[in-house]
Amino acid sequence: QVQLQESGPGLVKPSETLSLTCTVSGGSIGSSSYYWSWIRQPAGNGLEWIGRIFPSGSTDYNPSLKSRVTISLDTSKNQFSLKVNSVTAADTAVYFCARQRVGATRGWFDPWGQGTLVSVSS
Amino acid sequence: EIVLAQSPGTLSLSPGERATLSCRTSQSVSSSFLAWYQQKPGQAPRLLIYGASIRATGIPDRFSGSGSGTDFTLTISRLEPEDFVVYYCQQYASSFTFGPGTKVDIK
Repeated sequence: QVQLQESGPGLVKPSETLSLTCTVSGGSIGSSSYYWSWIRQPAGNGLEWIGRIFPSGSTDYNPSLKSRVTISLDTSKNQFSLKVNSVTAADTAVYFCARQRVGATRGWFDPWGQGTLVSVSS
Repeated sequence: EIVLAQSPGTLSLSPGERATLSCRTSQSVSSSFLAWYQQKPGQAPRLLIYGASIRATGIPDRFSGSGSGTDFTLTISRLEPEDFVVYYCQQYASSFTFGPGTKVDIK
């Protein structure tokens, strides 16, 4: 059973870079059957898809965040990572990593990591 | 971008009652590219339904999904105490967007 776990700093200063890692266990991140995504949820609000990466390294990003976001992966560690540049208070949220099956008809997210809260504050 | 609207915002019901949650998309979602999730406080969303009507592995049969085009419904046939949480719909026909959620609380 695949499990995902987010890790990274819980506090980031405004204008700096938010960096998070998702560690995958119980399965290989190199499988060509899956995409690996990041999703965030501001407190008391809904969910926003940030972007995803395929094992080849190709990425897709939410257009609203594309200019500030980079997703990468490290198959040797079975991890993928998120960087968000020039953060503001609006980037304060719980950040989740999640898996998606490859295929246009398979865009749901399952499973998810437990999530990690990142606050942007000086 | 396909925008999703969920109604009602809050649904107040009693255990054992039937819950009907609505999700409306701003554009037609072809081939029923719609999923439903349940989120308990402090936890990640859990996949309930995909393809508009297919229950995910391990999901009880009191949960069912229906709809097509722009109108979709999640039905919980008989509410159990653990069902009083928040539900989100998500479309995957064009990129990926979520609805704002419906909270089911105890009347």
